[in-house]
Amino acid sequence: EVQLVESGGGLVQPGRSLRLSCTASGFTFGDYAMSWVRQAPGKGLEWVGFIRSKAYGGTTEYAASVKGRFTISRDDSKSIAYLQMNSLKTEDTAVYYCTRDVEMATIGAYYFDYWGQGTLVTVSS
Amino acid sequence: SYVLTQPPSVSVAPGQTARITCGGNNIGSKSVHWYQQKPGQAPVLVVYDDSDRPSGIPERFSGSNSGNTATLTISRVEAGDEADYYCQVWDSSSDHFVVFGGGTKLTVL
Repeated sequence: EVQLVESGGGLVQPGRSLRLSCTASGFTFGDYAMSWVRQAPGKGLEWVGFIRSKAYGGTTEYAASVKGRFTISRDDSKSIAYLQMNSLKTEDTAVYYCTRDVEMATIGAYYFDYWGQGTLVTVSS
Repeated sequence: SYVLTQPPSVSVAPGQTARITCGGNNIGSKSVHWYQQKPGQAPVLVVYDDSDRPSGIPERFSGSNSGNTATLTISRVEAGDEADYYCQVWDSSSDHFVVFGGGTKLTVL
């Protein structure tokens, strides 16, 4: 059974940093790209960024709203994806979900077939 | 950047058919995916690549995509289908790569 478990959320002051973890099980983690998607309270879904599998270079892409502040990495030996969040702003307050990404190879697109339960990040003084 | 437009709400009586639209410029040329999110829960993939269903998703859920509109159709709606539904595309030409629609709240009357 595929499972994704996020951890590391909490209350943090503006300008500070926080690192989230996504621990995966039930599949060969290294074969998949992984994304982070967030949802502000009462709002819709917003993609944060993703990391490709090592087979595709392990490269990352980010939404414009977090580029330069957030960094996604992965440890395939531990089946964990990370989201390092620096220079946090109040508008980063959200539930953060990690997802397993399925690549549609013929068109280079991805969709999200499994989601974790999310971890809440609150940025407030 | 690419924009997906969904109606904020759709209401339907039990047993009827619900249609949730997702509008975007020439969206028919893209692959559209749909997610269901019930209150307090994580999203669940219900349709991928316009019209395919993941295992475990009832046949009542179907999708189509043409021109400037993609549609999620839920037949024989049940009370348990009440949720928010989001469409999603991948658009590497935009600064966001992944674009979600704003979401549609499906209310079962």
